[in-house]
Amino acid sequence: QVQLVQSGAEVKKPGAPVKVSCKASGYTFTSYYMHWVRQAPGQGLEWMGVINPSGGTTSYVQNFQGRITMASDTSTSTVYMELSSLRSEDTAVYYCARETSGHTRELDYWGQGTLVTVSS
Amino acid sequence: DIQMTQSPSSLSASVGDRVTITCRASQSISNYLNWYQQKPGKAPKVLIYGASSLQSGVPSRFSGSGSGTDFTLTISSLQPEDFATYYCQQSYRSPRSFGGGTKVEIK
Repeated sequence: QVQLVQSGAEVKKPGAPVKVSCKASGYTFTSYYMHWVRQAPGQGLEWMGVINPSGGTTSYVQNFQGRITMASDTSTSTVYMELSSLRSEDTAVYYCARETSGHTRELDYWGQGTLVTVSS
Repeated sequence: DIQMTQSPSSLSASVGDRVTITCRASQSISNYLNWYQQKPGKAPKVLIYGASSLQSGVPSRFSGSGSGTDFTLTISSLQPEDFATYYCQQSYRSPRSFGGGTKVEIK
């Protein structure tokens, strides 16, 4: 069965980077795009960007340009999201989510989420 | 960028009620509209994709409709397990924006 397992919670100081991993299993890793979505405490969902694990092409939301990097490792079926220059507003749960192979492009499987806390 | 506006932001309803949530896109997105349900402390789960297709395993009391800019999620008879927050998301183009969410609470 499809599973997306994310790395554990992180506590970071302002200005530091954070790297979150998402290990996929149960399907052909390179055949599905992977998205990252975050949710600040008590807030809604915010789309961050997407990576094509086959080839590594990415698309990021403008708000994070210059601070966000997504990468994939096909040998371990893992995608990574790194966010640099953290500020308190980046405190959130970060999710990876797989995009379906169909033309409707919904996010059909999600990781369990990784809480990133930014605090001095 | 495409803005997604959901209404209402919250509602109170009773078990058995019919509930309707609307989502409006700032420009036409054809039928590239998906609905997700999120319960506290859990990841979102897709309910409806392509505006009106029911995800496998989702109860038939959930339905979606609409095309272009205006979309609706309907729960025909609200059940206790349906109390949650619902989000629409457009998958027409990046950035793949979400609506602000609708929290469905018990009356």
